[in-house]
Amino acid sequence: GQQLNQSPQSMFIQEGEDVSMNCTSSSIFNTWLWYKQDPGEGPVLLIALYKAGELTSNGRLTAQFGITRKDSFLNISASIPSDVGIYFCAGLLPGGSYIPTFGRGTSLIVHP
Amino acid sequence: NAGVMQNPRHLVRRRGQEARLRCSPMKGHSHVYWYRQLPEEGLKFMVYLQKENIIDESGMPKERFSAEFPKEGPSILRIQQVVRGDSAAYFCASSPQGQSYNEQFFGPGTRLTVL
Repeated sequence: GQQLNQSPQSMFIQEGEDVSMNCTSSSIFNTWLWYKQDPGEGPVLLIALYKAGELTSNGRLTAQFGITRKDSFLNISASIPSDVGIYFCAGLLPGGSYIPTFGRGTSLIVHP
Repeated sequence: NAGVMQNPRHLVRRRGQEARLRCSPMKGHSHVYWYRQLPEEGLKFMVYLQKENIIDESGMPKERFSAEFPKEGPSILRIQQVVRGDSAAYFCASSPQGQSYNEQFFGPGTRLTVL
């Protein structure tokens, strides 16, 4: 099956720092999605990207759809303790796919 | 307005037993998707159902696993004769429209442990 390489696997940062994580694939995706999963909960969609080069923000979160359509980046500015969780990227293959292919996640821990 | 509900939240089974996982979609949603999450892995699609129909089961193991979404009541994911490798978190998501990716709302998951 399709593989998404998500990095880093985990991050330990101080409150107030900026965070950057990314996802790469050997395949082209039509859509990139970024989710956050809190401990013991299901994922929640944060940002959806639909066009190569697109840059979209949601509060302190900014995500970009790579120009090659094989990668995406998520940045979190001025992190706060409630940013703790696992962040997943996911991609949708061309051809009308509606089932996301998920990366393995980036675990974020924010120290107050 | 309740979100997607799943129960039980935690389920422990011995090898060879059956596991039944239930999912009640959000009000007004008639499309349900089941995913499996192994430890330190992303979610893997299993099956997509509408009321009384299985639309896409391409991610479902061929043996021991089955899913249904009856006209009345929750969607059920059934695992027969569980093995240790079935231990995982099972999430369901629901959407108001069919074949939707950006409107899939996830439940809190059922964590299955097979002893």
